[in-house]
Amino acid sequence: AQSVTQLGSHVSVSEGALVLLRCNYSSSVPPYLFWYVQYPNQGLQLLLKYTTGATLVKGINGFEAEFKKSETSFHLTKPSAHMSDAAEYFCAVSDRDDKIIFGKGTRLHILP
Amino acid sequence: EPEVTQTPSHQVTQMGQEVILRCVPISNHLYFYWYRQILGQKVEFLVSFYNNEISEKSEIFDDQFSVERPDGSNFTLKIRSTKLEDSAMYFCASRGLAGTYEQFFGPGTRLTVL
Repeated sequence: AQSVTQLGSHVSVSEGALVLLRCNYSSSVPPYLFWYVQYPNQGLQLLLKYTTGATLVKGINGFEAEFKKSETSFHLTKPSAHMSDAAEYFCAVSDRDDKIIFGKGTRLHILP
Repeated sequence: EPEVTQTPSHQVTQMGQEVILRCVPISNHLYFYWYRQILGQKVEFLVSFYNNEISEKSEIFDDQFSVERPDGSNFTLKIRSTKLEDSAMYFCASRGLAGTYEQFFGPGTRLTVL
């Protein structure tokens, strides 16, 4: 069975600092991996996805993530945090069964 | 840009009542999903739907739940007799052709069961 573990339910970074949100997954088949963002009182927006090919994936709003098979990780990074990045971030995994399995989420706080 | 829409945005109901949550997926999409998020918890898969039938359902999706695509545009989730623990945000999602694996999510319906 697939699963996703997100380390840290809350992460705080200063504006302009590096953002690093950690995600580890478990999958019996080569996974498809996703990061979604949820702003307050809004739905889920896809930030980026990995299916095949290049392991470093670039997404919207300056975010990127690297698929590391040996570490079963898919950490999300952004070089310089902006106040507008404050939101809940969900790492997710999917296999050919198609349903998406979400992690518990990490709430990102940006400190002025 | 095409988007998934959901109505209502907020539904309040009494325990034991039936509710129908409505979704309009992106028009040329073929695969449809419902997920739910209990307050403060993670998003959970409920059911997937393709070619007018359920493809997969989770253990949460018991006999109280049903889905339907009554016409060419709507996709509905019905809860027959709501329980307090059904209070959650319900998200509809849709996906296009096989192999794309990107699901587009609607803004959600917040269901409150009193």
